Amino acid sequence: NAGVTQTPKFRVLKTGQSMTLLCAQDMNHEYMYWYRQDPGMGLRLIHYSVGEGTTAKGEVPDGYNVSRLKKQNFLLGLESAAPSQTSVYFCASKWTSNTDTQYFGPGTRLTVL
Amino acid sequence: QQPVQSPQAVILREGEDAVINCSSSKALYSVHWYRQKHGEAPVFLMILLKGGEQKGHEKISASFNEKKQQSSLYLTASQLSYSGTYFCGTELGTSYDKVIFGPGTSLSVIP
Repeated sequence: NAGVTQTPKFRVLKTGQSMTLLCAQDMNHEYMYWYRQDPGMGLRLIHYSVGEGTTAKGEVPDGYNVSRLKKQNFLLGLESAAPSQTSVYFCASKWTSNTDTQYFGPGTRLTVL
Repeated sequence: QQPVQSPQAVILREGEDAVINCSSSKALYSVHWYRQKHGEAPVFLMILLKGGEQKGHEKISASFNEKKQQSSLYLTASQLSYSGTYFCGTELGTSYDKVIFGPGTSLSVIP
């Protein structure tokens, strides 16, 4: 059981470049989330999904797109990266119930120059 | 919508106690507590549901006052391993499919 995995672990982009971050979970969880973490700001929700084929906006969705084509995968895309998107990105998943634990992936450290 | 945490940072000596508070301006359905060590992912501690629930986890416990829309995390007889950043996450009564986290409280335990 790998839990929640994220690819890649580190990435450096130039302004204007695009990239996709992959989150995968093997726990058959329905709900998946993308957060970004910046110093002093805590974890801020970017987008989330409550099931395969569904996505919804979180607190800070601008500049990001997501897709959930398969239940086990949740992709986060940056179409035109900006320095303000330099951050650590965490993916999380949980079963369904609002009482369930969210399991976090190890994080992706992204730097945009 | 983001919950407020206090204090922002606290330094303890081993064996001392600490309280971390989390409050929201909106009605809460549940409160989640996580701890994050530097360079690692957040790790779940406990979930509290509305109803004035109190839970415990080793020497770490928490309470949830639904009427005041507040939760407190209690760390007793702190150990060096308790060092890290503590986050509360809240699920609103109207939208409990997502957890919104506070800015975190940095806790340092020194010998």
